[in-house]
Amino acid sequence: DIVMTQSPDSLAVSLGERATINCRSSQSVFYSSKNKNYLAWYQQKPGQPPKLLISWASTRESGVPDRFSGSGSGTDFTLTISSLQAEDVAVYYCQQFYNLPLTFGPGTKVDIK
Amino acid sequence: EVQLLESGGGLVQPGGSLRLSCAASGFTFSNYAMSWVRQAPGKGLEWVSVITGGSDNTNYADSVKGRFTISRDNSKNTLYLQVNSLRAEDTAVYHCAKNSDGSRYSPSDYWGQGTLVTVSS
Repeated sequence: DIVMTQSPDSLAVSLGERATINCRSSQSVFYSSKNKNYLAWYQQKPGQPPKLLISWASTRESGVPDRFSGSGSGTDFTLTISSLQAEDVAVYYCQQFYNLPLTFGPGTKVDIK
Repeated sequence: EVQLLESGGGLVQPGGSLRLSCAASGFTFSNYAMSWVRQAPGKGLEWVSVITGGSDNTNYADSVKGRFTISRDNSKNTLYLQVNSLRAEDTAVYHCAKNSDGSRYSPSDYWGQGTLVTVSS
């Protein structure tokens, strides 16, 4: 199985400041024949189901604010919130969909400082 | 508007069974793979199972293989998860999720609110 790790476990950022979350996979999730990284980011707010923010490592889903961006390739990925808003308080998960079983990272909790 | 509504959860004794259902609407159900993902209280997300649109392929997490069975009825736009031989560690909210395309290897772009399964004597 591909093991996903995330860092940090939690972070507190001032409103308007940048938040950066890292995700690492135990093996590459880059599918060379399709030139795509099989990596997604989800946001989960308390009491709500997860919401898909980014797929293919860097493709923002429709309706997701452009302050959210994804980057990286192979085994190392980053989710960046360029200017943290109060509504961004949540737990963020990365997921690989390169291999079955699909696996999630343990999550990173983002709070306001 | 895509909607996914799970039902069938509840309190069950160890070794018991339940059948979870997920009623889907707002998209052409048969065109998409569908998944179940669970979340134990206060814990992270765990992928459980996936099924392709035509039910030709199914896959399971090792932790549930042989005990859980995923299925779908495209005529009813409904996804199912038969959960047998339940253990305390199966206690979780079970979310139904729509895959972003027909492939098992795709992210989940819509999720239901989930149904709580509690395994306890």
